[in-house]
Amino acid sequence: KAGVTQTPRYLIKTRGQQVTLSCSPISGHRSVSWYQQTPGQGLQFLFEYFSETQRNKGNFPGRFSGRQFSNSRSEMNVSTLELGDSALYLCASNPQTGYDGYTFGSGTRLTVV
Amino acid sequence: AQSVTQLDSHVSVSEGTPVLLRCNYSSSYSPSLFWYVQHPNKGLQLLLKYTSAATLVKGINGFEAEFKKSETSFHLTKPSAHMSDAAEYFCVVSVLYGNKLVFGAGTILRVKS
Repeated sequence: KAGVTQTPRYLIKTRGQQVTLSCSPISGHRSVSWYQQTPGQGLQFLFEYFSETQRNKGNFPGRFSGRQFSNSRSEMNVSTLELGDSALYLCASNPQTGYDGYTFGSGTRLTVV
Repeated sequence: AQSVTQLDSHVSVSEGTPVLLRCNYSSSYSPSLFWYVQHPNKGLQLLLKYTSAATLVKGINGFEAEFKKSETSFHLTKPSAHMSDAAEYFCVVSVLYGNKLVFGAGTILRVKS
């Protein structure tokens, strides 16, 4: 059974640009969540999607957005990149709710220069 | 609000000696608690989970944790450390009906030969 797949693994962007990250959940998983990991702030929740609807959202500015497609694949977009957006972005999936835990992908390392 | 506090930012043990990583939680009701491990430049791997079925939870790679309601603790232990256990460990609580994870700050485990 394939795990959670995130692409690309590494990304370098310039300030002011925008970026799109992709996540393919485990087959049959309908909930996809995104987390940002930085040395200073640790792991922070961005948003969670279920059946193409954003179910929960963290405390991030509107420059951070996401969506989920009918096959449960998800994308997150960051517009007008800032240096502080440099982070490891992790995607996680579960069948419906996270009471039994989430399965995480290996992440996308975004560097903003 | 539900939260977790990891009491040690760094723990150092010798190979073959016991491991203890401490976590306290704050919750107004019975929480769902997890321990995740992250090896360098990798995603997060679920070690074990507590979802009120049993207070002593066994996980992968010989790790276990005990849920103690009276002490609001969920400490992670392993009888004998292996070099491959060197990683960062996160204590996590799920909130919002299981759809959001709140992470502790992490404990970096160092294993000396």
